[in-house]
Amino acid sequence: DAGVTQSPTHLIKTRGQQVTLRCSPKSGHDTVSWYQQALGQGPQFIFQYYEEEERQRGNFPDRFSGHQFPNYSSELNVNALLLGDSALYLCASSGQGFGELFFGEGSRLTVL
Amino acid sequence: AQSVAQPEDQVNVAEGNPLTVKCTYSVSGNPYLFWYVQYPNRGLQFLLKYITGDNLVKGSYGFEAEFNKSQTSFHLKKPSALVSDSALYFCAVRDPSGYSTLTFGKGTMLLVSP
Repeated sequence: DAGVTQSPTHLIKTRGQQVTLRCSPKSGHDTVSWYQQALGQGPQFIFQYYEEEERQRGNFPDRFSGHQFPNYSSELNVNALLLGDSALYLCASSGQGFGELFFGEGSRLTVL
Repeated sequence: AQSVAQPEDQVNVAEGNPLTVKCTYSVSGNPYLFWYVQYPNRGLQFLLKYITGDNLVKGSYGFEAEFNKSQTSFHLKKPSALVSDSALYFCAVRDPSGYSTLTFGKGTMLLVSP
């Protein structure tokens, strides 16, 4: 059973560009969450998708947007990249109830 | 809003000795608490969780955690540390709204020396 998969694993962008990160949840999970982990920090919640809708959002600007597809996979889009957007972006999936989140290996974004 | 504090940036312990990584939390309502571990340049791996019931929770790789409601703490423990336990440990609390959103602490680096 494949766990949470993310792509790409690494990417480099320049300021002002746009980036799209992708995530496939663990089999049987219907909820996808995205987190940003800056160097030396704990993961910060960006938003959560359920039934193709953004269900909850953290304290991130509108430059951060997402999408969930009918097969539960998800994308994170970041527009007008800033140097401060450099981070490890983690996708996590979960089912219903009080189960734990399962995390992918992350996408390391470097903005130059 | 809920929050988690991990007061130690780093914990050093010799192999074979017991280890404790501290965590305190703040949340309205019932606390749902988690510990995750992160190895360099990797995602987070689930260790254990407290939802309800016994205050001593057992998890993966010999780790356990003690829930203390009066002290609002959820400390991670292991009776005998291994060098391979060296990693970054995160405590997290679930959003009381019912969604699966987690709020993480800043992390504690555990270094186990041979």
